[in-house]
Amino acid sequence: VELVESGGGLIQPGGSLRLSCAASGFTVSGNYMSWVRQAPGKGLEWVSVIYTGGSTYYADSVKGRFTISRDNSKNTLYLQMNSLRAEDTAVYYCARGGGIAAAVHYAMDVWGQGTTVTVSS
Amino acid sequence: DIQMTQSPSTLFASVGDRVTITCRASQSISRWLAWYQQKPGKAPKLLIYKASSLDSGVPSRFSGSGSGTGFTLTISSLQPDDFATYYCQQYNSYSLTFGGGTKVEIK
Repeated sequence: VELVESGGGLIQPGGSLRLSCAASGFTVSGNYMSWVRQAPGKGLEWVSVIYTGGSTYYADSVKGRFTISRDNSKNTLYLQMNSLRAEDTAVYYCARGGGIAAAVHYAMDVWGQGTTVTVSS
Repeated sequence: DIQMTQSPSTLFASVGDRVTITCRASQSISRWLAWYQQKPGKAPKLLIYKASSLDSGVPSRFSGSGSGTGFTLTISSLQPDDFATYYCQQYNSYSLTFGGGTKVEIK
């Protein structure tokens, strides 16, 4: 069971970037999948989650700019990031879990190693 | 959004000490509270879910308790590998939130 992120890099303010998170050992379609970020020297911040049924939720700080999605055929989770700002600079982690259901809620039990996004001119 | 407040932000302790970290939610989250451990340059690791359930492979010196708005993480006998930063997280709402973190340092 593993998650591997990719797609990070240096991008200018206002630019776009797409992060990928390839899963192995389980299916992204059968699990709640989340993105969490950590700015340099700061704590963890939840960014977004996609539910098994396709519903998506976002932190207010990224709503309208970021889009979470998945490709079931590639067993991969994505985070499309548009209109990037300096405050989006962080290590971005994907994680399994982070969703709530009627009787069971899911903590984040599998994490990727993270990919670094730096927004700077 | 539900706010999560952790205390203390930094904790100095010695090997063998009993350590307790507190997390408070701004509204009731039932028992939907997780604790994570993070070491520098590494991804967080799930320690405890549903307030008191130990994740697979986590040593039994870690324990969690609480419900509603008040929760604690206890390390019964601190080991060298436990010096790290610990985060609580509520997952009772569609919008998840983490506490600010508690860094456990060597006294």
